[in-house]
Amino acid sequence: KQEVTQIPAALSVPEGENLVLNCSFTDSAIYNLQWFRQDPGKGLTSLLLIQSSQREQTSGRLNASLDKSSGRSTLYIAASQPGDSATYLCAVNNFNKFYFGSGTKLNVKP
Amino acid sequence: GAGVSQSPSNKVTEKGKDVELRCDPISGHTALYWYRQRLGQGLEFLIYFQGNSAPDKSGLPSDRFSAERTGESVSTLTIQRTQQEDSAVYLCASSPEMGQGKNTQYFGPGTRLTVL
Repeated sequence: KQEVTQIPAALSVPEGENLVLNCSFTDSAIYNLQWFRQDPGKGLTSLLLIQSSQREQTSGRLNASLDKSSGRSTLYIAASQPGDSATYLCAVNNFNKFYFGSGTKLNVKP
Repeated sequence: GAGVSQSPSNKVTEKGKDVELRCDPISGHTALYWYRQRLGQGLEFLIYFQGNSAPDKSGLPSDRFSAERTGESVSTLTIQRTQQEDSAVYLCASSPEMGQGKNTQYFGPGTRLTVL
């Protein structure tokens, strides 16, 4: 069974810092990997979707990389802002079933 | 356009009662997923529906859990004889199509279930 791990579980940084969130998975036979943001009391918002054949995806200040063979993905956030404070979840798609990590709770201090 | 909606947003019930949770997917989305999220944890897959195909129920934790979907519209998740360990946020997501790499999920706000 696919297992997804996210490190660190929580992260607190001052505004303006660049940061990296990590996601690892045990089964490399994935269709894609997706990063989500979850705000308290709300559902998940998709940030980036990386196909299994891709190495990275970028959207604004966000860049996600995928190394399928080693079972790793990173989410890079440049010039962090207080509005980036949220829980970030990664999910891998194995044969159209989705497995989520437990998330990294990010706090960006003004 | 309208996103995925779920009702109720909060539900408090007594142990042993049945509850029914509702999900309205985005119009035209063929795939629909239910997840459970316990406090401080990631999402746990429960079930998904794809068009008129038989649903994948492999994530349902016990026979007290069941879900239905009529065509490509509303889905209901029913939990019978609720237990305190059922307390969690239940999230629904829909997707425009299945198939490799085409299934970005759009999530509803969730239903927070508390079993006393």
